[in-house]
Amino acid sequence: DTEVTQTPKHLVMGMTNKKSLKCEQHMGHRAMYWYKQKAKKPPELMFVYSYEKLSINESVPSRFSPECPNSSLLNLHLHALQPEDSALYLCASSQVHGSMNTEAFFGQGTRLTVV
Amino acid sequence: RKEVEQDPGPFNVPEGATVAFNCTYSNSASQSFFWYRQDCRKEPKLLMSVYSSGNEDGRFTAQLNRASQYISLLIRDSKLSDSATYLCVVNLPTGGFKTIFGAGTRLFVKA
Repeated sequence: DTEVTQTPKHLVMGMTNKKSLKCEQHMGHRAMYWYKQKAKKPPELMFVYSYEKLSINESVPSRFSPECPNSSLLNLHLHALQPEDSALYLCASSQVHGSMNTEAFFGQGTRLTVV
Repeated sequence: RKEVEQDPGPFNVPEGATVAFNCTYSNSASQSFFWYRQDCRKEPKLLMSVYSSGNEDGRFTAQLNRASQYISLLIRDSKLSDSATYLCVVNLPTGGFKTIFGAGTRLFVKA
């Protein structure tokens, strides 16, 4: 099973709403990632969790709040977003060997529209 | 300087052509390297890992030159189905497993 599952696939939310994106993998990967991708741009790293601890935050605004409840799950909590936050949000995971990580496997993404 | 830089593209080639993509990375201690393919409105998918010894998978050949900090991807006998964006990806040697994408090169293969 080499699958990363993201829900929901599409989300429309108002600027005052609170919503959460969910990601799940059962490959035993100990690194999990959130990326943001705008149209015609590459994925841009937001957060990295390794061994369920936040290891990288790429100066992401606090209206995005990640959470890693266990080694298989990764959430991204959204609050008070702006229209410019509309994008494809991609979750990924990878194996970890010591200080190195291997190739990342991506979920299908959540297409978020903020209105 | 960006951490990972790629040819800007787009590349427009006829079926059957050979096309090469290049990528450079700025951190000499970068640990591992990959090419991903991304179709329109889909997630990136791993095409192949890149090793110093070079590796080949059918019509695709990837090469890493650590001295020049340069990665390449060669596609032979292009097919219409090869049309996609090709992304160079580097794992940086920072603590925390930082995986960074190049800007991507768009390939159009035409009949």
